[in-house]
Amino acid sequence: DVKVTQSSRYLVKRTGEKVFLECVQDMDHENMFWYRQDPGLGLRLIYFSYDVKMKEKGDIPEGYSVSREKKERFSLILESASTNQTSMYLCASRDPRMGNNEQFFGPGTRLTVL
Amino acid sequence: SQQGEEDPQALSIQEGENATMNCSYKTSINNLQWYRQNSGRGLVHLILIRSNEREKHSGRLRVTLDTSKKSSSLLITASRAADTASYFCRSGGSNYKLTFGKGTLLTVNP
Repeated sequence: DVKVTQSSRYLVKRTGEKVFLECVQDMDHENMFWYRQDPGLGLRLIYFSYDVKMKEKGDIPEGYSVSREKKERFSLILESASTNQTSMYLCASRDPRMGNNEQFFGPGTRLTVL
Repeated sequence: SQQGEEDPQALSIQEGENATMNCSYKTSINNLQWYRQNSGRGLVHLILIRSNEREKHSGRLRVTLDTSKKSSSLLITASRAADTASYFCRSGGSNYKLTFGKGTLLTVNP
């Protein structure tokens, strides 16, 4: 079974802090994604990476950056956390060779910025 | 982006009843997928239907696809309290930019 893990289930940070959210997948998937999920807004794509060292902006990249130095790890970085970045963050991975576009999700990190 | 939009936003039914959720999308697709999310958890893939298919079954799930109307429906038969979750559709194409709708929150009352 594919396993996607996220470094924390719950995280509390202060405004202005630099925050790292880590995601690791163990199935050699090329594609990885970061979403945020907010009530009434559904899932919104922040960034995705289609391969190592490759990244593309999603729909809401402002205030975020990402890093993909190794295939199994995709990091989301909040350079200076703000209260409006309080949200549930979901990481996902996908093997584009499968042809079915199925994404495998981690359990999520609920981030609170005070 | 090929965003799916689910309808209704919320649905409350009694155990044993059927639940139907709908999804509309905007652009041409290769396939459409339905996902489920239990409260506070990640999404889990339920079923995929390809653009050349009209109907697909998996256990108590039945998915239909109408490409002329750019819409899909998910039917859960004989619902159980454990089916309580949010359900999302996601239209898929060659685009890497895979986005989701806002979801339908299904509540099944025992």
